[in-house]
Amino acid sequence: DQQVKQNSPSLSVQEGRISILNCDYTNSMFDYFLWYKKYPAEGPTFLISISSIKDKNEDGRFTVFLNKSAKHLSLHIVPSQPGDSAVYFCAARSNTGKLIFGQGTTLQVKP
Amino acid sequence: EAQVTQNPRYLITVTGKKLTVTCSQNMNHEYMSWYRQDPGLGLRQIYYSMNVEVTDKGDVPEGYKVSRKEKRNFPLILESPSPNQTSLYFCASSRGTSGTSSYNEQFFGPGTRLTVL
Repeated sequence: DQQVKQNSPSLSVQEGRISILNCDYTNSMFDYFLWYKKYPAEGPTFLISISSIKDKNEDGRFTVFLNKSAKHLSLHIVPSQPGDSAVYFCAARSNTGKLIFGQGTTLQVKP
Repeated sequence: EAQVTQNPRYLITVTGKKLTVTCSQNMNHEYMSWYRQDPGLGLRQIYYSMNVEVTDKGDVPEGYKVSRKEKRNFPLILESPSPNQTSLYFCASSRGTSGTSSYNEQFFGPGTRLTVL
């Protein structure tokens, strides 16, 4: 049973536009959510996180929004750049401290 | 430089031949974990360790073993590899698993691509 889902396997966006990556979860006890970015032939790297007590966290071009009632979070990248092309994983922290990852969304930003 | 290292990066082996993938971190992290990445399934946790001599099963532990004799090392052992263990493996570490998100920020190694024929 997939507790964290990224329903869009891929997303293509024009450079300069906004990229919106979505993530849904089922467990209301998750207390932290994180986004990781992964380039080919490299391990995932931490991008941004949000506590369940907040609804928004911003870091430069990256903003994560959390809608607890809908059990949904999204990552906004504005403006998108070709270097943002990567696989993005969302992850949620369970009450045991474990991170549970989604399937990933491949973002392609076209010049 | 703070990092997680894995060896080997690429490995092709045959069914039943025991192998070990090493993982080492230099950040004095307490928490370490192994994941496998498969198409359409994302990152699934195999085993994790909260500290030295403390290990526990993740979501897909069958066919794998781990040990944590030292804080910095967390090897993944496949006693009798099978083709369904062909995958991309990642080791990760973090300071811990509670409190602020900085404790949860897991640092990942570069990955080990394993093919079992």
